[in-house]
Amino acid sequence: GQSLEQPSEVTAVEGAIVQINCTYQTSGFYGLSWYQQHDGGAPTFLSYNGLDGLEETGRFSSFLSRSDSYGYLLLQELQMKDSASYFCALAYGGSQGNLIFGKGTKLSVKP
Amino acid sequence: GAVVSQHPSWVICKSGTSVKIECRSLDFQATTMFWYRQFPKQSLMLMATSNEGSKATYEQGVEKDKFLINHASLTLSTLTVTSAHPEDSSFYICSALYRRNQPQHFGDGTRLSIL
Repeated sequence: GQSLEQPSEVTAVEGAIVQINCTYQTSGFYGLSWYQQHDGGAPTFLSYNGLDGLEETGRFSSFLSRSDSYGYLLLQELQMKDSASYFCALAYGGSQGNLIFGKGTKLSVKP
Repeated sequence: GAVVSQHPSWVICKSGTSVKIECRSLDFQATTMFWYRQFPKQSLMLMATSNEGSKATYEQGVEKDKFLINHASLTLSTLTVTSAHPEDSSFYICSALYRRNQPQHFGDGTRLSIL
């Protein structure tokens, strides 16, 4: 089977940088995705790593190391609106096909 | 672009009622749609994968006779929770795949409360 582990909660202050780690166990997958979900809302796509290395999208970056079964999401210049839950997800059936989500990390950004 | 509309956003009904949830891709054709369930403070759990014109593929542990999925067109998939009970109360979210290697686009979810 597949499993993903990520911290349940992270707290940081505005303007700071925070890294949310995701370790996984799987027999095979296409890539690792990251989604943001505000309370009561739908998940929104943030980033995808199909290959090892760093992907940068504005204030958000994501990293994947298949040899270490590890990835992370890096959020820079934190803003209050970044307070949300962040999920890593393993992608099967094509790079964005079936997704297996981690349990999520609740990020709280303090003033 | 790539907007997914889910309706209704909130349903409260009595135990034993069947509830239908619609998921529409508004500005693109989605050959594949996914249905997820999310309990409070938990992760999204994939329930089934719906392909237009064919039977849905259900994940292990999901009762296909209880959660009926129909994907009759390239822009519409429906999930019917039959004879719903309080334990079916959850947040149901659909997503649609625009292209095979593009991110899934999620609907806003349906909060189902069974009394």
